[in-house]
Amino acid sequence: GAVVSQHPSWVICKSGTSVKIECRSLDFQATTMFWYRQFPKQSLMLMATSNEGSKATYEQGVEKDKFLINHASLTLSTLTVTSAHPEDSSFYICSAPGQEWGYGYTFGSGTRLTVV
Amino acid sequence: DAKTTQPPSMDCAEGRAANLPCNHSTISGNEYVYWYRQIHSQGPQYIIHGLKNNETNEMASLIITEDRKSSTLILPHATLRDTAVYYCIVSRAGSYQLTFGKGTKLSVIP
Repeated sequence: GAVVSQHPSWVICKSGTSVKIECRSLDFQATTMFWYRQFPKQSLMLMATSNEGSKATYEQGVEKDKFLINHASLTLSTLTVTSAHPEDSSFYICSAPGQEWGYGYTFGSGTRLTVV
Repeated sequence: DAKTTQPPSMDCAEGRAANLPCNHSTISGNEYVYWYRQIHSQGPQYIIHGLKNNETNEMASLIITEDRKSSTLILPHATLRDTAVYYCIVSRAGSYQLTFGKGTKLSVIP
């Protein structure tokens, strides 16, 4: 089945710095990638949708200048959290529609971001 | 996308069948029912999906009522590794984002 590789698995950074999270589709081409955020004991919330070769679409309330999304190729989408603050600490997860319909949507393993 | 209602938590004895219900009374004709699960601190894992017929794969069975307003995910022989939050989602086919509700926290008890 389709695999999405997400890195890093966890990262700790200082307030004010930027962090980049990568999601790669390993055995299929992902023209679309969804980025979710999950706070402790809460469900996944969609942040943005990235499409290869075009600007990302952000959900209401998500700052596009703070969460920079780049989908420069058919196998790589990145999320950069700029000027991170402690309130940005969360679990970030990417997802792509599977190459074959029967496999549904494939999710990355997630990135635990802690801003100190 | 149609909304879903799931019980917040359920317990199941190890080795027994786990039956997880989901209500989706406002589902549209072109919306599928998806089930995913999330083990603690991992990304969601696809389990199964269906449109109107019952479906079965190596992980689970999906029973959809004739009016499609509810469904049940069945894990035939639950193991401790099946302890997770299970999400029932309805969505159109294609490249549409999945909207997650609160899910059901299934605890498999030895």
